[in-house]
Amino acid sequence: DAGITQSPRHKVTETGTPVTLRCHQTENHRYMYWYRQDPGHGLRLIHYSYGVKDTDKGEVSDGYSVSRSKTEDFLLTLESATSSQTSVYFCAISEVFGRETQYFGPGTRLLVL
Amino acid sequence: SQQGEEDPQALSIQEGENATMNCSYKTSINNLQWYRQNSGRGLVHLILIRSNEREKHSGRLRVTLDTSKKSSSLLITASRAADTASYFCATDGQETSGSRLTFGEGTQLTVNP
Repeated sequence: DAGITQSPRHKVTETGTPVTLRCHQTENHRYMYWYRQDPGHGLRLIHYSYGVKDTDKGEVSDGYSVSRSKTEDFLLTLESATSSQTSVYFCAISEVFGRETQYFGPGTRLLVL
Repeated sequence: SQQGEEDPQALSIQEGENATMNCSYKTSINNLQWYRQNSGRGLVHLILIRSNEREKHSGRLRVTLDTSKKSSSLLITASRAADTASYFCATDGQETSGSRLTFGEGTQLTVNP
């Protein structure tokens, strides 16, 4: 988890409310990713970023948006949270795009009631 | 999908024994990686093996790759209680572009003292 922090680490929210999760890195890696982890599905890619203000969709991007205004910060926003978005969210970073080693943050556990 | 699938889903052994986990995937790959996840933590990269490699070692870890069978195995020798964790394989796909590391659902390893 060194060099990558996520905030908050735990959050409980209600259906319909907006939620923003933050990933912060001190490694100056160019590439950043948001995944969600659910039982029976493993880790699934939500969005990724290949530079400041450069982002793209992953496998399960519906209902999520992202922003990256600085190299070190990658934000994930749930515009209107739903119960199906209850999950553990992980941020990851890498020096090389995608196929090589990724380094993961500690995760954010989100419960949508 | 060329998602990796780990086998078995759960494995319980005694300290000092060897643990073997398997990963199968569906399409051709460039690399295959193994990650470990301790309870409540993020994933930690263990080892990456490229498609032109057959075996790789790192400390007590031995990874093999058989591209003809589209399978990989992770062997942990002389296991310790601290090895208790979930282990995931992650594959990329030669046909997919970008960041598409695909993770399996993991093998839960319990090492009993």
